[in-house]
Amino acid sequence: DTGVSQDPRHKITKRGQNVTFRCDPISEHNRLYWYRQTLGQGPEFLTYFQNEAQLEKSRLLSDRFSAERPKGSFSTLEIQRTEQGDSAMYLCASSASGGADTQYFGPGTRLTVL
Amino acid sequence: GDSVTQMEGPVTLSEEAFLTINCTYTATGYPSLFWYVQYPGEGLQLLLKATKADDKGSNKGFEATYRKETTSFHLEKGSVQVSDSAVYFCALGGSQGNLIFGKGTKLSVKP
Repeated sequence: DTGVSQDPRHKITKRGQNVTFRCDPISEHNRLYWYRQTLGQGPEFLTYFQNEAQLEKSRLLSDRFSAERPKGSFSTLEIQRTEQGDSAMYLCASSASGGADTQYFGPGTRLTVL
Repeated sequence: GDSVTQMEGPVTLSEEAFLTINCTYTATGYPSLFWYVQYPGEGLQLLLKATKADDKGSNKGFEATYRKETTSFHLEKGSVQVSDSAVYFCALGGSQGNLIFGKGTKLSVKP
């Protein structure tokens, strides 16, 4: 069990550019979640996958955001035409199933949009 | 919608002091409740959880009891250590399986 990993750890981009983040969950975990955390706030849910199916999207996930989990393993989160308001820590978590199962979090990707 | 409210920080305590961090929630039904901790420079990790009313979660000397009547899940520790300095997040399990977090409470423990 190597834990949840995320890449890159830090990303600085200019407004209007596209960025893509990767998350590798704990192997054999079926569920994968994306959250966003801004300074002084708790993480906010963006979306989650059950295997390769994206089952729920928050209203925070505008049409500039897209997430995939093509083979039910790793996931990518892409932000198109970044805005300064997208600057945040993007967290990925995985769990064996839903309900009260523990979600294990990765270290996050810190995005700064200039 | 479902939400979590936890006490504002920062909280500063001396080593061996008693700790309480208040957490109340609003939810339909009876969600699972969690405390997560984020140590400096590290990712979020589960501290404890409770899945039904009157359950007590405990870990590393921390405890929290799921109180349905007061919709609360307060975190307590009898004697804090410097190593407990971190940000603590209360969370509930949402209807989609996601977690709904409070804003976090920063704890600093002085020797």
